[in-house]
Amino acid sequence: AQSVTQPDIHITVSEGASLELRCNYSYGATPYLFWYVQSPGQGLQLLLKYFSGDTLVQGIKGFEAEFKRSQSSFNLRKPSVHWSDAAEYFCAVGGTGFQKLVFGTGTRLLVSP
Amino acid sequence: DVKVTQSSRYLVKRTGEKVFLECVQDMDHENMFWYRQDPGLGLRLIYFSYDVKMKEKGDIPEGYSVSREKKERFSLILESASTNQTSMYLCASRARVRNTEAFFGQGTRLTVV
Repeated sequence: AQSVTQPDIHITVSEGASLELRCNYSYGATPYLFWYVQSPGQGLQLLLKYFSGDTLVQGIKGFEAEFKRSQSSFNLRKPSVHWSDAAEYFCAVGGTGFQKLVFGTGTRLLVSP
Repeated sequence: DVKVTQSSRYLVKRTGEKVFLECVQDMDHENMFWYRQDPGLGLRLIYFSYDVKMKEKGDIPEGYSVSREKKERFSLILESASTNQTSMYLCASRARVRNTEAFFGQGTRLTVV
């Protein structure tokens, strides 16, 4: 069965510093991978997605993620964090559109001045 | 602009009440999902539907049922609400094609007293 692990429950980063959020997945075939962001009291917004091809994918708001098959990872990165990036971030794995998405437990990002 | 709309942002219900959470999508998606979100547990799938009148249990279906009479609408039903069903409920839809993500509603925060 597919699963996602986000090992960091909370991360605090200074504004302007770089960010990396970790995501490890378990999936029996070629995975479709997603990062979503959730601002307080809101639904989930897609940041980026990986289906195939280039393993470094660019998303909205300056985020990028790298798919590493050998490590079963799909870590999210941003070179310079802004205060408005404070939110909860979810990694998800799934197959084609026939299938459900399985989510990790989320990482809450706090941005300090 | 794609849209998934949940009928209520906030609901307060009494223990034992029958509760309906409604979700409508305007993207003609075949798949629709109900997730429950709790701190530290991430998003857990309650039920999903891959076609009208078709449904499958997710990871935590106990105490819930669903209804999908029309393609655009997916309802979550709490037959007899209990306090442990106090949570954030998120509806999502996804097309049954390759290379596609799920789109989420804004969420319904349900409090059972």
